[in-house]
Amino acid sequence: QSALTQPASVSGSPAQSITISCTGTNNDVGSYNLVSWYQQYPGKAPKLMIYEVNKRPSGVSNRFSGSKSGNTASLTISGLQPEDEADYFCCSYAGSSTVFGGGTRLSVL
Amino acid sequence: QLQLQESGPGLVKPSETLSLTCIVSGDSINSHFHYWGWVRQPPGKGLEWIGSIYYRGNTYYNPSLKSRVTLSVDTSKNQFSLKVYSVTAADTAVFYCARQPDNPAVGIPDYFDQWGQGTLVTVSS
Repeated sequence: QSALTQPASVSGSPAQSITISCTGTNNDVGSYNLVSWYQQYPGKAPKLMIYEVNKRPSGVSNRFSGSKSGNTASLTISGLQPEDEADYFCCSYAGSSTVFGGGTRLSVL
Repeated sequence: QLQLQESGPGLVKPSETLSLTCIVSGDSINSHFHYWGWVRQPPGKGLEWIGSIYYRGNTYYNPSLKSRVTLSVDTSKNQFSLKVYSVTAADTAVFYCARQPDNPAVGIPDYFDQWGQGTLVTVSS
């Protein structure tokens, strides 16, 4: 299995919106609505932000949303805030296996 | 409140076996609703799923690691464990244990909803 493909970095200004893509194949993202997204600050454990493509856990801001089209999933963060600056990882079920994306560093300028 | 705590040696010699345990508190590892997983992260790199286990012993392994990894569960101690055999420097990473809800539609481990704080394991002589 290969890692899902994410851009290495994205940036945006406060109050703007950004979208992080996560491209897989029809063996993972394209076949299952089991994509999740995680936020990670340096030296900290990942935190679940989105699960099953577009569901938000309790306590996660509604500024975070997820979607999927074909083999590509996306995480959108609206109304960017300085505290959104972190690494973001996508993850997908891949048929008896689980695969992560390489991660995207979000900079809030 | 659920807590997961990884424990084990922080330094392992090349060719030896890396052993970690995740102690679960605030939830029963016997839960019908959850799997229990391991994820690692080499310094400065991304996340890699290692494997997941159900309290009955059902396991899923990363195909790239399957030949060197064993997961087990000890319901009497409410903990689960990871062994990685024949380690090399490439196995140096922060290791996380995490809880995964069981997706009822397909009976598989789903997303990682709770994580331990992680523990750094360095492979070096």
